[in-house]
Amino acid sequence: GQNIDQPTEMTATEGAIVQINCTYQTSGFNGLFWYQQHAGEAPTFLSYNVLDGLEEKGRFSSFLSRSKGYSYLLLKELQMKDSASYLCAPLDSNYQLIWGAGTKLIIKP
Amino acid sequence: GAVVSQHPSWVICKSGTSVKIECRSLDFQATTMFWYRQFPKQSLMLMATSNEGSKATYEQGVEKDKFLINHASLTLSTLTVTSAHPEDSSFYICSVLTSVGTGSSYEQYFGPGTRLTVT
Repeated sequence: GQNIDQPTEMTATEGAIVQINCTYQTSGFNGLFWYQQHAGEAPTFLSYNVLDGLEEKGRFSSFLSRSKGYSYLLLKELQMKDSASYLCAPLDSNYQLIWGAGTKLIIKP
Repeated sequence: GAVVSQHPSWVICKSGTSVKIECRSLDFQATTMFWYRQFPKQSLMLMATSNEGSKATYEQGVEKDKFLINHASLTLSTLTVTSAHPEDSSFYICSVLTSVGTGSSYEQYFGPGTRLTVT
């Protein structure tokens, strides 16, 4: 079957660094997306990884290991506005996104 | 700027009426659009894949006669909730998947969503 596993909730301090892990099992694989979703809003695209390794984009970086079915999102210099849910979504062989419940990130001052 | 727009952003309707939601791809032509539904504090649920010029592909458990999808052009897909009931109240979001560069990389953009409340 297809499955996504992320922590339900994480708490971090403003200015710190946090890593949100994601493990996945899919029927085929065509890359993995990370999205940010604030409450009551649609998801916002953060990153896409299809090859192993780290992709850095400003304060956010995403890592992928296809052999391990593992990805993480790294957020640096946390700001209060980073409080949101973070969704890991692999793209399966039919080019459909597989969604988990996401990780709710709480930033404290 | 936004690459996908939705209209309306929110709508309240009475039980038994129909509601149409529009999804427009602003920056590129989209042969495929996706419609999602999200209930409070739950993950996104794919309802259907909208294919330009052909019938939509519905996910298991989604009634195609209740959720009518029309993808008449490369920039517009519509979702019509027919005979809406209170349990249809939800956040409906469309998205567009586009390939980037030589086609080995993808980006998926979401519309801002439409909040439907059926009274």
